[in-house]
Amino acid sequence: DQQVKQNSPSLSVQEGRISILNCDYTNSMFDYFLWYKKYPAEGPTFLISISSIKDKNEDGRFTVFLNKSAKHLSLHIVPSQPGDSAVYFCATGEFGGYNKLIFGAGTRLAVHP
Amino acid sequence: NAGVMQNPRHLVRRRGQEARLRCSPMKGHSHVYWYRQLPEEGLKFMVYLQKENIIDESGMPKERFSAEFPKEGPSILRIQQVVRGDSAAYFCASSPRDATNEKLFFGSGTQLSVL
Repeated sequence: DQQVKQNSPSLSVQEGRISILNCDYTNSMFDYFLWYKKYPAEGPTFLISISSIKDKNEDGRFTVFLNKSAKHLSLHIVPSQPGDSAVYFCATGEFGGYNKLIFGAGTRLAVHP
Repeated sequence: NAGVMQNPRHLVRRRGQEARLRCSPMKGHSHVYWYRQLPEEGLKFMVYLQKENIIDESGMPKERFSAEFPKEGPSILRIQQVVRGDSAAYFCASSPRDATNEKLFFGSGTQLSVL
């Protein structure tokens, strides 16, 4: 019973291009969405978030888009850099609730020079 | 300003032994979460604790698993009589408050291997 799905296990992008990572969720009650980045042998680190009252949130090279009708969110990285190579997890939770997050399985991004 | 500290980084146990995983939250953080990551899967919530209180343990297996966060000292995740299926990466995270929009700070995890 996967409530959060990241259908692409891996993505390869050339340096300088755009990386687009996708995430689908099943429960329309989810109202807060986050992206975490994880390097090998490290814990996940928070990247960016968005609440359901918005459809876009931007932070530097990172932008998250939320399409509530499609129950879909995406993370755009522009321009991609080799240091962005990591596993990216989308996660969801209840805004204002505590951090009982539901994570997707992750997408491994490789950015090539 | 040290981050979330977990130890050990790697723990090897034989079936039937006990595993004790420790987590010291970031300074000033009183909310601790434990998540488990099985191979090729996302992190799954296990338990949420505040000092001396278990707030939500709905993700913990009913048997053999327990967690505590005492008034003094680190949070402990304890797994009794480990089985091979317990092999996973266990991540601890902390936050200063209990709201979802308070980002979590994760430790580097403990990789548990059960032989």
